[in-house]
Amino acid sequence: GGIITQTPKFLIGQEGQKLTLKCQQNFNHDTMYWYRQDSGKGLRLIYYSITENDLQKGDLSEGYDASREKKSSFSLTVTSAQKNEMAVFLCASSMGRNTEVFFGKGTRLTVV
Amino acid sequence: QQKVQQSPESLIVPEGGMASLNCTSSDRNVDYFWWYRQHSGKSPKMLMSIFSNGEKEEGRFTVHLNKASLHTSLHIRDSQPSDSALYLCAASNAGAKLTFGGGTRLTVRP
Repeated sequence: GGIITQTPKFLIGQEGQKLTLKCQQNFNHDTMYWYRQDSGKGLRLIYYSITENDLQKGDLSEGYDASREKKSSFSLTVTSAQKNEMAVFLCASSMGRNTEVFFGKGTRLTVV
Repeated sequence: QQKVQQSPESLIVPEGGMASLNCTSSDRNVDYFWWYRQHSGKSPKMLMSIFSNGEKEEGRFTVHLNKASLHTSLHIRDSQPSDSALYLCAASNAGAKLTFGGGTRLTVRP
């Protein structure tokens, strides 16, 4: 088995601040994802990456940047934090198309 | 507008009862459907997946898929309080994009 580690677990930022969330996986998976989950709601895809150096926009990419520095890591930047985007950000990975996706434990973002 | 729609938003069933959850995609490029379960405060975990027309059963859980209408349903028989969770449906396409719906909150009353 493997594990997906997200850091930090809790992130508090000021409105307008640029914030970075990090994700590492040791599954040796090719594909990685970033999702946002508002309280009690479903998951919305922000960015995904099919392989190292690849980047694909999801349905909620505006206001975010992402970077796939190497196969095992995928980071997400909130370019200008807003109070209405307080949520849990979930990183996930899979071997590729139509294979099971595994999730990390999430980073909870609070904007003050 | 979400391309994966789930209904109902919330569902309450008695212990031992049957829970039925629905999911439809409006994206004709999808070819695989997934059901994930997320307990409160935890991360989503895959329950079942289906890609061909028909039915798939695993223990108390049964998934149906109608590819023509891009509709899938999840049925939980003999529901237990431990089944109380947020159930998420997802659809994937050839490009590995995985899109989730808004979820169904299931509560099983003892």
